[in-house]
Amino acid sequence: AQSVTQLGSHVSVSEGALVLLRCNYSSSVPPYLFWYVQYPNQGLQLLLKYTSAATLVKGINGFEAEFKKSETSFHLTKPSAHMSDAAEYFCAVSDTKTGGFKTIFGAGTRLFVKA
Amino acid sequence: DAGVIQSPRHEVTEMGQEVTLRCKPISGHDYLFWYRQTMMRGLELLIYFNNNVPIDDSGMPEDRFSAKMPNASFSTLKIQPSEPRDSAVYFCASSFGSQPQHFGDGTRLSIL
Repeated sequence: AQSVTQLGSHVSVSEGALVLLRCNYSSSVPPYLFWYVQYPNQGLQLLLKYTSAATLVKGINGFEAEFKKSETSFHLTKPSAHMSDAAEYFCAVSDTKTGGFKTIFGAGTRLFVKA
Repeated sequence: DAGVIQSPRHEVTEMGQEVTLRCKPISGHDYLFWYRQTMMRGLELLIYFNNNVPIDDSGMPEDRFSAKMPNASFSTLKIQPSEPRDSAVYFCASSFGSQPQHFGDGTRLSIL
């Protein structure tokens, strides 16, 4: 069964510093992978998605993620953190057993940005 | 375009009362999902529908929970009777095929 592991429930960075949120997946077939962001009192919003077209995926708000099959990883990065990036981030994988319609979410990583 | 619309945004009720949460998916989407989010358990998938038909309800915690989708533009999640441990944020999401899901802003439910 597919699964997603996010390393670190909390990450704290200074404004202007690199953001790195880690995600590892398990899947027996090439997966679709996603990063979602959740701001306070809101639902999840799609940041970016990987669908095998390119290993480096660019998303909104300056975020990008790199698919590394050999490491089964899909880490999210942003070169320079902004205060507005403080939120919870979820890595997710499509459940290919159900044809990709069901999405399996990680436990989430809360990002804190210090001034 | 209108996103996924959930109502109410907040609900506070007493234990034992019936609670009904409502969701209007994005027009044209053929999948609808109900999730529950808590600090302890994170985001849990409760049930999902395809073309108004329930496909997988294995995440529904108990018989007190039920969900319906009478048409393509409306779904409800009902809890009867409600208990304090049902307090959570409930999200509805919709998608077209295997495209990424779009989430509503959730209903924050408090059972006293």
